[in-house]
Parts: sequence; C-alpha cells; structure tokens
Amino acid sequence: KAGVTQTPRYLIKTRGQQVTLSCSPISGHRSVSWYQQTPGQGLQFLFEYFSETQRNKGNFPGRFSGRQFSNSRSEMNVSTLELGDSALYLCASSLTGEAYNEQFFGPGTRLTVL
Amino acid sequence: DAKTTQPPSMDCAEGRAANLPCNHSTISGNEYVYWYRQIHSQGPQYIIHGLKNNETNEMASLIITEDRKSSTLILPHATLRDTAVYYCIVRGASGSARQLTFGSGTQLTVLP
Repeated sequence: KAGVTQTPRYLIKTRGQQVTLSCSPISGHRSVSWYQQTPGQGLQFLFEYFSETQRNKGNFPGRFSGRQFSNSRSEMNVSTLELGDSALYLCASSLTGEAYNEQFFGPGTRLTVL
Repeated sequence: DAKTTQPPSMDCAEGRAANLPCNHSTISGNEYVYWYRQIHSQGPQYIIHGLKNNETNEMASLIITEDRKSSTLILPHATLRDTAVYYCIVRGASGSARQLTFGSGTQLTVLP
C-alpha cells in the first residue's frame, strides 16, 4: 500500500507570495492533518480535515487555510508569505482520525521563504 | 502543551535493547500513549501505541505501568538506523485533543 505523498518536496518563494501544498493520503484514509515544523517551535498542528470538512484547527493565523476533496486528497494554502513561514510542512493521514487510529506522516514539503 | 516528560538524550550500544522512558503522570483514562520517531527532518514515523495493555509489533514493545503514569518504549535490538528523535505523545479521545502534540522528544544515539 502506498504511503502518504506530498508535493512538491521543496519550494522556494519570496515574501508576499502565496503557496499551495498538496497531500495524498493512504488509500482508504479519510482524515488528513497538517503540521508545521520549525527549529524554534517544533512540530505544531495546523488543521485536520475529515470528509471534506475542517474538523479541528490549531492556533495559526487566517493566512493558513486548507481544503479536502472528495477523494480525500488535501491542499493547504499560505497567503502573503512571511519569512517565519519557512518550515517543513507535514501531512498525516488516518483512517478516521480517532485516537485509536494511527496517523501516518508523509515526507513533508520544505518551504523556504526569501 | 505536551503532556509528557522525556529525557533529552540517551545512548545505546548497537545490538542491545534500547529502553526509552516517558512520564505522563496526568494522563486520563481515555487517552492513548503514542510513540513516533523522526530521523533527520524526515516525516515522523509511527512506532506503536497503547491504551492500558502492553503492546508489541514488529518494530518495538510498549510497556505501560499499571497506574498508566509512565511508559517505556523498547527497541529490542537497536541498530545504527534507529538513531533518531523519539517522541512520546499522549493523545486524547475527542476534539482538538485527538491531534498529536509533539514535545522535545529523546535523541537516541545508537553507538557502534
């Protein structure tokens, strides 16, 4: 079974631009969560989608948004990029997102904002 | 905030068992203990999880104390490829508590 895939793997943008990252979950998984990892803040939860609906949201500004499609694939968007948005963005998929179901992470998208 | 306490670093000799402790003294009855590891900024890798009973899979064993206030992850025969940061996470059963909250983890270094 294929794992979680994320595209692109690396991205370089400049301040003020916007970016869209994509995540394809494991086949059959309906929950997709997004995390941001930076050296200073560690791994932080951004949001979770289940059945095309945002189910939970972390403490990030409105510049960070996401969506999920009917095939469970998910995208996240960051608008008006800031230098501090440089990070590894990780996507994790789970069968249902319940606590007893494991979350499996993708390899991440490394975003650099110049 | 992370609800777990782990030592910042540990060493283990190759071929020996690596025992990684985790304290979660405020864990609630319906909260799970999860372990992940991360190797050099790759995506975190799921290892094992449990609620009350000890668990074992092909990667590791999870020993949870009877009062559930602490647990130990055991890698039975550590190899150099097990060098990574290991995260112990308490995961709640509902709402935002279901999301994974990563702390600082334990840097495990397997020595040849």
